[in-house]
Amino acid sequence: DARVTQTPRHKVTEMGQEVTMRCQPILGHNTVFWYRQTMMQGLELLAYFRNRAPLDDSGMPKDRFSAEMPDATLATLKIQPSEPRDSAVYFCASGLNSFSGNTIYFGEGSWLTVV
Amino acid sequence: AQKVTQAQTEISVVEKEDVTLDCVYETRDTTYYLFWYKQPPSGELVFLIRRNSFDEQNEISGRYSWNFQKSTSSFNFTITASQVVDSAVYFCALSVRNSGGYQKVTFGTGTKLQVIP
Repeated sequence: DARVTQTPRHKVTEMGQEVTMRCQPILGHNTVFWYRQTMMQGLELLAYFRNRAPLDDSGMPKDRFSAEMPDATLATLKIQPSEPRDSAVYFCASGLNSFSGNTIYFGEGSWLTVV
Repeated sequence: AQKVTQAQTEISVVEKEDVTLDCVYETRDTTYYLFWYKQPPSGELVFLIRRNSFDEQNEISGRYSWNFQKSTSSFNFTITASQVVDSAVYFCALSVRNSGGYQKVTFGTGTKLQVIP
């Protein structure tokens, strides 16, 4: 049963600390997405990769957030320094391609609390 | 610009009742795709269905059915004989090809369904 795997599932950290979230996309998928979900903003796209290259990161606060794909099986999202307003659920998702009909499959999410 | 409206924020039904979740979308693209996802209390987003803009046939999968009407720009989701396990937040999403030639997905704000035993 292929699925997107995210770690950590839950993270509580102090303000100012670095947070790294990791994602293993479904094997064979070449598009990876990072979404953030909050009650106020709903689902927001932070970053979008195709074949490990960033296609769109316009939704990501550049001063503290960074997203990379060191290889095809690993995507990372880093927050440095973290702030309480970053508390949210961060979802990684992957898809087979980037055409408009691409079905996006989500991981279980990383629940981040910054205190 | 694309927009997805899920006007029902929360719905409560008693088990075994039928319930319809509304989704209205806006786009100027003639080729687009519509999706429904389920987010149960455990938090993960589960893909339910994908339809393209050229296929207006309704679809049924067990107790789930989807009604796509281009004339009203709607893609509604009906659960027949609801069960407690259907309690979740349901998201409708619209996907188009953006000016850069790749996928752009717009999610609705979700409808929280509570099925009461």
